[in-house]
Amino acid sequence: AAGVIQSPRHLIKEKRETATLKCYPIPRHDTVYWYQQGPGQDPQFLISFYEKMQSDKGSIPDRFSAQQFSDYHSELNMSSLELGDSALYFCASSSMGGRVTQYFGPGTRLTVL
Amino acid sequence: SQQGEEDPQALSIQEGENATMNCSYKTSINNLQWYRQNSGRGLVHLILIRSNEREKHSGRLRVTLDTSKKSSSLLITASRAADTASYFCATDASGNKLVFGAGTILRVKS
Repeated sequence: AAGVIQSPRHLIKEKRETATLKCYPIPRHDTVYWYQQGPGQDPQFLISFYEKMQSDKGSIPDRFSAQQFSDYHSELNMSSLELGDSALYFCASSSMGGRVTQYFGPGTRLTVL
Repeated sequence: SQQGEEDPQALSIQEGENATMNCSYKTSINNLQWYRQNSGRGLVHLILIRSNEREKHSGRLRVTLDTSKKSSSLLITASRAADTASYFCATDASGNKLVFGAGTILRVKS
């Protein structure tokens, strides 16, 4: 079965650079979520979209923005990168606007040097 | 962790033994999910239990939920070396986003 696809899988950036992470949800899933997992930490919710509209917002820095496009894929844009942004970034998708199982992608490992 | 604690933080057992992990949470929930994560890899969904359910089984997994105590447990029976991973519980405490527990690191020795 098709799973959530994330790209790139690994990304290395310098401080103050920008990064764009992409997420392609499972077909027919209408909701996308972004999570950040620091080293040795549990995943933390950043932001979610339902039917291309932002549906919830968590501890996402103002330097980050995200959107969901007409084909339901989503992009997380990160600017003015800091060392502390180094983490695994997961995208998850679900159907019916949520309250059901969220399926996670393999994650993008971002390293900021 | 934002939501609660997982207990124990780390667990080391022999292959074939059972492993029990506990999770506590702080707010009312619609459902609780358990995920597995191999080191530095993605989160794999194991099982979802709804707030009106008390127990659920899936293969070697058994999950219980006690909403009066705001706690859940995950039992893995007849553990295998391949079960070595971190296990997280997650609740949809507020809206649809998941709030994760701190996780239990399980090591199954062969």
